[in-house]
Amino acid sequence: AQSVTQPDIHITVSEGASLELRCNYSYGATPYLFWYVQSPGQGLQLLLKYFSGDTLVQGIKGFEAEFKRSQSSFNLRKPSVHWSDAAEYFCAVGATEYGNKLVFGAGTILRVKS
Amino acid sequence: DTGVSQDPRHKITKRGQNVTFRCDPISEHNRLYWYRQTLGQGPEFLTYFQNEAQLEKSRLLSDRFSAERPKGSFSTLEIQRTEQGDSAMYLCASSPPGLGETQYFGPGTRLLVL
Repeated sequence: AQSVTQPDIHITVSEGASLELRCNYSYGATPYLFWYVQSPGQGLQLLLKYFSGDTLVQGIKGFEAEFKRSQSSFNLRKPSVHWSDAAEYFCAVGATEYGNKLVFGAGTILRVKS
Repeated sequence: DTGVSQDPRHKITKRGQNVTFRCDPISEHNRLYWYRQTLGQGPEFLTYFQNEAQLEKSRLLSDRFSAERPKGSFSTLEIQRTEQGDSAMYLCASSPPGLGETQYFGPGTRLLVL
């Protein structure tokens, strides 16, 4: 069965510092991988996705993620965090056998110190 | 561009009552998904439709839950005889057909069962 692990429940970074959020997945085939962001009381917004091809994926708001098959990882990065990035971030894997249902990790809450 | 909409945004009900939520997907999307998100967790898949056909249901979807998408456009999720454990955010998403397509999420319906 597919699964996603986000090892960090909370991360606090200073504004302007770099950020890396970790994501490990378990899936038998080539995965489709996604990062979503959720602000309090809101739905989820797609930041970026990996479908195939270049393993370094660029997304919105200056985020990028790198797919590493050997490590089963899809970590999210941003070189300089802004206060408005404070939110909860979810990594997900798409299960193609079931109409692309998404299996989500438990999320990482990002706090930004000014 | 109209995104995914959900109604109501908030619902408070007493245990044992029935509730119904509505989701309007992006108009050209033929796939529609329902997820449930409890506090501190990532969204969990409940069910998905391709056009009007319900193609998969999670084990999370007990007999008290029913979902419909009668004309392949909007969808409803009904919970009968609500229990306190049903308190959660119910998220709807839609996507075009095809592998790895992005799911676009609505703002969610937050249910509180007293």
